[in-house]
Amino acid sequence: ETGVTQTPRHLVMGMTNKKSLKCEQHLGHNAMYWYKQSAKKPLELMFVYNFKEQTENNSVPSRFSPECPNSSHLFLHLHTLQPEDSALYLCASSQDSASGGEETQYFGPGTRLLVL
Amino acid sequence: AQSVAQPEDQVNVAEGNPLTVKCTYSVSGNPYLFWYVQYPNRGLQFLLKYITGDNLVKGSYGFEAEFNKSQTSFHLKKPSALVSDSALYFCAVRGNNDYKLSFGAGTTVTVRA
Repeated sequence: ETGVTQTPRHLVMGMTNKKSLKCEQHLGHNAMYWYKQSAKKPLELMFVYNFKEQTENNSVPSRFSPECPNSSHLFLHLHTLQPEDSALYLCASSQDSASGGEETQYFGPGTRLLVL
Repeated sequence: AQSVAQPEDQVNVAEGNPLTVKCTYSVSGNPYLFWYVQYPNRGLQFLLKYITGDNLVKGSYGFEAEFNKSQTSFHLKKPSALVSDSALYFCAVRGNNDYKLSFGAGTTVTVRA
């Protein structure tokens, strides 16, 4: 798990707060991903960045705002969240999201978010 | 559209017994198939993948998976389960022209001593 790190590991926030999740990958990859994991549901892809450019926004509400300043760092800015946004948010990275299907994605440990 | 089904929410086995976690998939074209494991309060760890070639793929921690094209399956197996194998297992698939991974809902494996 040291290849992809995420901070904080746990976050409790009120619906009016603004917070940010951080992801950093040390694998030399060029693609980074945000996923949402809710109980008893498959992982939901939220955003994809390839070479710092956003290539996917999977109909995510605007209260989630991603930022990718370089290929090693990915942020997810949160504001005016709802209780149903409580979940585990996972970051992943891969070599190049456009290079084909055989790429392996490597995941961070996740941020457990609770919205009160 | 691509999709993955893991028909069992839970699998319970005794330590030392064989472990099988089932996965079937649907994808256009050639599939790329993956297995991940998630321990409590941790992210997903990559176990193994099938790209092409030998239908039996060997991965980490003694796990292997068998690709069966006619049955569109990619079941995960371990000949002798350990208590430490207790975790949540995810199967995932991607088509050869798509960067999106589609995950199954996961199977919780419990290995009792």
